Amino acid sequence: SYELTQSPSMSVAPGQTASITCGGDNIEKKSVHWYQQRPGQAPVLVVYDDRDRPSGIPERFSGSNSGNKATLSISRVEAGDEADYYCQVWDINDDHRGMVFGGGTKLTVL
Amino acid sequence: EVQLVESGGGLVQPGGSLRLSCTASGFTFTAYSINWVRQSPGKGLEWISYISSSSTTIYYADSVKGRFTVSRDNAKNSLYLQMNSLRSEDTALYYCARDRMGFTPTIDFWGQGTLVTVSS
Repeated sequence: SYELTQSPSMSVAPGQTASITCGGDNIEKKSVHWYQQRPGQAPVLVVYDDRDRPSGIPERFSGSNSGNKATLSISRVEAGDEADYYCQVWDINDDHRGMVFGGGTKLTVL
Repeated sequence: EVQLVESGGGLVQPGGSLRLSCTASGFTFTAYSINWVRQSPGKGLEWISYISSSSTTIYYADSVKGRFTVSRDNAKNSLYLQMNSLRSEDTALYYCARDRMGFTPTIDFWGQGTLVTVSS
């Protein structure tokens, strides 16, 4: 089955840009979606279809997808951005369809 | 306001059964596909099931196929997850999650979850 690979953790200083990556075989051929999960809360969709933002999500959140890597970028990082971030795709093969999540990246704001 | 409220979680012994419910409000339930996603304590997200708006299309993760059954009652704005032959590894917070109905399945709204603990 399809696998998505994320680094377990990263840290960034306030005001800097965080780039969270999600690797997968030919991931550029898939639509990648990103979720933010703050401690003790349900996930929130922050980017869908590689680069689109739902209403209410700040422009500081942006996405890209090329080659074997999708990236969620968070510019001008704030303390409130500290959370776990998950990428997700929809996997289709001959005998299986379903959502696949990456393992998640814990973002720490220094 | 969109709301998804899960219920039915609890402590169950290995091999036992449990039925989760999810009640929706604040949107046209009949227009949306719904997913179940779970999260084991301290772990990541794991998708387990998808059901289309009219129940004509249903998918399961391999980890639950043959043990879990998803269904919905559109007249009651409700979704169900019947879980049988439960194992310790099924211990998790179970989320009911609305599909965005975009080009590919994506979740645009999540409930707060109901906790299932499988232990003797």
